[in-house]
Amino acid sequence: GENVEQHPSTLSVQEGDSAVIKCTYSDSASNYFPWYKQELGKRPQLIIDIRSNVGEKKDQRIAVTLNKTAKHFSLHITETQPEDSAVYFCAASKEWGGATNKLIFGTGTLLAVQP
Amino acid sequence: NAGVTQTPKFQVLKTGQSMTLQCAQDMNHEYMSWYRQDPGMGLRLIHYSVGAGITDQGEVPNGYNVSRSTTEDFPLRLLSAAPSQTSVYFCASSQGTGRVNTEAFFGQGTRLTVV
Repeated sequence: GENVEQHPSTLSVQEGDSAVIKCTYSDSASNYFPWYKQELGKRPQLIIDIRSNVGEKKDQRIAVTLNKTAKHFSLHITETQPEDSAVYFCAASKEWGGATNKLIFGTGTLLAVQP
Repeated sequence: NAGVTQTPKFQVLKTGQSMTLQCAQDMNHEYMSWYRQDPGMGLRLIHYSVGAGITDQGEVPNGYNVSRSTTEDFPLRLLSAAPSQTSVYFCASSQGTGRVNTEAFFGQGTRLTVV
């Protein structure tokens, strides 16, 4: 079955710096890759997603890149702010053959932004 | 619009007891899923459903049962609780298109402790 590896498990940056979180997936048929942010004690919430027909997607300070050949995708956060501190999860899913939203998650990255 | 509602928020069970975690959504979403979240292991899919009357197993289904008799409700049953089932459980729902995956909305979680 699908497996998603996520690195690093913890990341500490200074306010204003950039943060990069990387994920690798195993199933080459996966073609939908969302990222979720989970603040302490809260539920996960979608921040950005990308499909395999594009290589990059941006939303203000957040961007996601996808390398289908290497089966890698990454989350980039620029100009980090203290409110970006949270756990970030990547996930992978298939849409071919019928979408099911069956998401396989990575193990999470705890991002700490130091003021 | 309440979104995805889980009950209870907290529960303590004794080993061998059974219980049902409730999940309800009011967004008319076709797809619903159950995840468990354990430290260092991310979110792991237990069971999922693509519509009323249709369920399937996820990554870690053993010890859990589900049914989907209505679009709104997707209860998770623990048959005989074990300490290994101590975890935070999240229910999620998303709009079903049959062609593309869409944003998954999570409930607030149920923190379960089995002693």
